[in-house]
Amino acid sequence: NAGVTQTPKFQVLKTGQSMTLQCAQDMNHEYMSWYRQDPGMGLRLIHYSVGAGITDQGEVPNGYNVSRSTTEDFPLRLLSAAPSQTSVYFCASRRLAGGLAYEQYFGPGTRLTVT
Amino acid sequence: GQQLNQSPQSMFIQEGEDVSMNCTSSSIFNTWLWYKQDPGEGPVLLIALYKAGELTSNGRLTAQFGITRKDSFLNISASIPSDVGIYFCAGLYTGANSKLTFGKGITLSVRP
Repeated sequence: NAGVTQTPKFQVLKTGQSMTLQCAQDMNHEYMSWYRQDPGMGLRLIHYSVGAGITDQGEVPNGYNVSRSTTEDFPLRLLSAAPSQTSVYFCASRRLAGGLAYEQYFGPGTRLTVT
Repeated sequence: GQQLNQSPQSMFIQEGEDVSMNCTSSSIFNTWLWYKQDPGEGPVLLIALYKAGELTSNGRLTAQFGITRKDSFLNISASIPSDVGIYFCAGLYTGANSKLTFGKGITLSVRP
């Protein structure tokens, strides 16, 4: 049981480039989400999904796109990278209902630098 | 968006000491979660609390769900060097689509 996995661990992009951050979980969790973590700002929600085919915006969605074609995977796309998107990105997942519904688990993070 | 209040931003203690940190909110929650984040890693769930007044332990860690449902406390007893890290609280108010609200975290340093 690998939990939540993310790739890549580190990435450097030039302004204007696009890329996809991968996230997968093997716990059969319905709810998946993406956060960014910046110094002094804490964890901010970018996008989330409550199941395959359903996504919604979080607090800071601009410049990011998501899709959820399977329960396991929730990729985050940067459409045209900007220096302001330099951050550490975390994917997380949890169940929607049941005994441990609200225990949310995080991946190890992707450290992105945009130059 | 709303944030939970965690203060101070940093705490410095001596190895072997106990430390207590709290998390407060202006809104009520029915779930409180405590996480620890090591440098360069993702947050790791330490303790989950689901009931007002609940006291839950995980080894040297003890957390409590405040009776008002607007706060939670985490205690670490007999601190050791590997307790160093950032401790986050998170609150959730019911509903499958509800989003977790996070505190900004407290950075704990332990002097040997």
